[in-house]
Amino acid sequence: DAGITQSPRHKVTETGTPVTLRCHQTENHRYMYWYRQDPGHGLRLIHYSYGVKDTDKGEVSDGYSVSRSKTEDFLLTLESATSSQTSVYFCAISAGVSEKLFFGSGTQLSVL
Amino acid sequence: AQSVTQLDSHVSVSEGTPVLLRCNYSSSYSPSLFWYVQHPNKGLQLLLKYTSAATLVKGINGFEAEFKKSETSFHLTKPSAHMSDAAEYFCVVKGGSNYKLTFGKGTLLTVNP
Repeated sequence: DAGITQSPRHKVTETGTPVTLRCHQTENHRYMYWYRQDPGHGLRLIHYSYGVKDTDKGEVSDGYSVSRSKTEDFLLTLESATSSQTSVYFCAISAGVSEKLFFGSGTQLSVL
Repeated sequence: AQSVTQLDSHVSVSEGTPVLLRCNYSSSYSPSLFWYVQHPNKGLQLLLKYTSAATLVKGINGFEAEFKKSETSFHLTKPSAHMSDAAEYFCVVKGGSNYKLTFGKGTLLTVNP
């Protein structure tokens, strides 16, 4: 398995609180992605990174920010969590844009 | 623009019978197409990938898919289902040279003993 660690694996938080999810990789891959998975929607891209300090928005980026200060770490922050952000969040990595994605095990986030 | 439609949200088969999971796509560019599998409480794993080298693509665990440009389809098949194949399957399209992948909504495969 690709070396991808997501933390925490599960989190319950209250509306309005900030939340940060971490993705750590040991593969030295250039590209890192944050997806959310919701029933009936498949996976939707939130943000992605194509290098240290290089990030861009995906299709559902509102309410989320990201940072990548090191190749191995990609952080996803919900500045003020809302109930609509209750979801399973997956980090993925790839060596190139046309290369296959390797996925982490996911973070189950519940916003009450 | 690109999109992908998985024609069945749920497919149920008996162990030992063939599996067919259907996927249609649209893309403004010559697409790359993927099938990913997700077992319960796990991340997604690549089954196979089409990138124009051959229209019939073989993947892991006995799965294969055929790219049919005239039908804009990329259906996933397996001759004989195993209990361990029970999972959710996602068809994914990538058009052009950018990062953007578009995921289908998934097909849940149930395998009955």
